Amino acid sequence: AQTVTQSQPEMSVQEAETVTLSCTYDTSESNYYLFWYKQPPSRQMILVIRQEAYKQQNATENRFSVNFQKAAKSFSLKISDSQLGDTAMYFCASPSGAGSYQLTFGKGTKLSVIP
Amino acid sequence: DAGVIQSPRHEVTEMGQEVTLRCKPISGHDYLFWYRQTMMRGLELLIYFNNNVPIDDSGMPEDRFSAKMPNASFSTLKIQPSEPRDSAVYFCASRSPGTGNYGYTFGSGTRLTVV
Repeated sequence: AQTVTQSQPEMSVQEAETVTLSCTYDTSESNYYLFWYKQPPSRQMILVIRQEAYKQQNATENRFSVNFQKAAKSFSLKISDSQLGDTAMYFCASPSGAGSYQLTFGKGTKLSVIP
Repeated sequence: DAGVIQSPRHEVTEMGQEVTLRCKPISGHDYLFWYRQTMMRGLELLIYFNNNVPIDDSGMPEDRFSAKMPNASFSTLKIQPSEPRDSAVYFCASRSPGTGNYGYTFGSGTRLTVV
């Protein structure tokens, strides 16, 4: 079975500081996308950033960036200049099953931004 | 586009009752997924459809669970009879055609409580 591991159940960061959330995955797909989702207290699942495995350049979306290490199957999320609105659960997701149509999610990291 | 629409947002029911959760995917999306989220097990894929056809229902926990997609704009997840251990947040998600590079768009979820 495909697995996604987020080793940090909870983290906290001071407002305006930088924090990195870890994720490792296991997929048998050759070309695939990886995703980070944010779930605030409203429970809405929001796509934060995605990374194509064939691209060597790490994806960046404003204050969010990834550190993608394909050989190590590692996909960490870096949040710069943390804001109070970043407080949420963060889930890493990788493809599972043939054709990458399904996503397997990690158990999540609860991030608290402290004023 | 209004996004993925789920109803109801909250459902409280008594053990043994039938529960029906509803989902309207984004127009043009050809994949639809049902996930269940609990504290203990995280996000679990229950079933997914492609072009209204169920492709993989191996995540459906028991015969008490059933899902249908009678047309491209509507899907239901039914639990009959419901049990307290079915209490969870149920998410519907849809995905655009192609290789999945845009990830899923999630609905806002239905919080089910079985008492």
